Amino acid sequence: SAVISQKPSRDICQRGTSLTIQCQVDSQVTMMFWYRQQPGQSLTLIATANQGSEATYESGFVIDKFPISRPNLTFSTLTVSNMSPEDSSIYLCSGTLAGGPGEQFFGPGTRLTVL
Amino acid sequence: AQSVTQPDIHITVSEGASLELRCNYSYGATPYLFWYVQSPGQGLQLLLKYFSGDTLVQGIKGFEAEFKRSQSSFNLRKPSVHWSDAAEYFCAVGAGNMLTFGGGTRLMVKP
Repeated sequence: SAVISQKPSRDICQRGTSLTIQCQVDSQVTMMFWYRQQPGQSLTLIATANQGSEATYESGFVIDKFPISRPNLTFSTLTVSNMSPEDSSIYLCSGTLAGGPGEQFFGPGTRLTVL
Repeated sequence: AQSVTQPDIHITVSEGASLELRCNYSYGATPYLFWYVQSPGQGLQLLLKYFSGDTLVQGIKGFEAEFKRSQSSFNLRKPSVHWSDAAEYFCAVGAGNMLTFGGGTRLMVKP
């Protein structure tokens, strides 16, 4: 298994500002993902974080709004840019281990509130 | 494309009673299926998974799930619910390295 940590655990931000969320894994994972969980909703995949290259975004999510970095196999960041109250959500990071057919390990999430 | 339906948004059971959470999936090939639990303010924890073989899988915390291909279902069960089981439960189907989640079922436990 893999243990995933995220920082910050929660934040309250002002409209128009940006927040960068960090995701650290205790072992090398082949793939890392970022999800959004809006209040009372299920998880929606934002993007797959690719090591050393641009992330792969899902429909409805764009790089200008959610820039993602993954400089190595154990670390990734997600930035929520130019925030509005609609961005208030839990943001979760996950990873898969080599050889695993889809099982993902999740971080504890970052609870973001935008005023 | 794959999809997952959890028909019950909320379920309330009495402590000690049995539990079954429903999950139906749509996927063209043999699915990889998962149940995750999310306690308040927490991330997702894997309860159990089905990849192949025995269609009845055992998980952590006394949970089990049964894969029924003919019904495209993967229902989660527990014979006796504890108050600490109150949480949100998500069923997911895996395709490659991607997961598609159902809408979730919120479980409440009455004393």
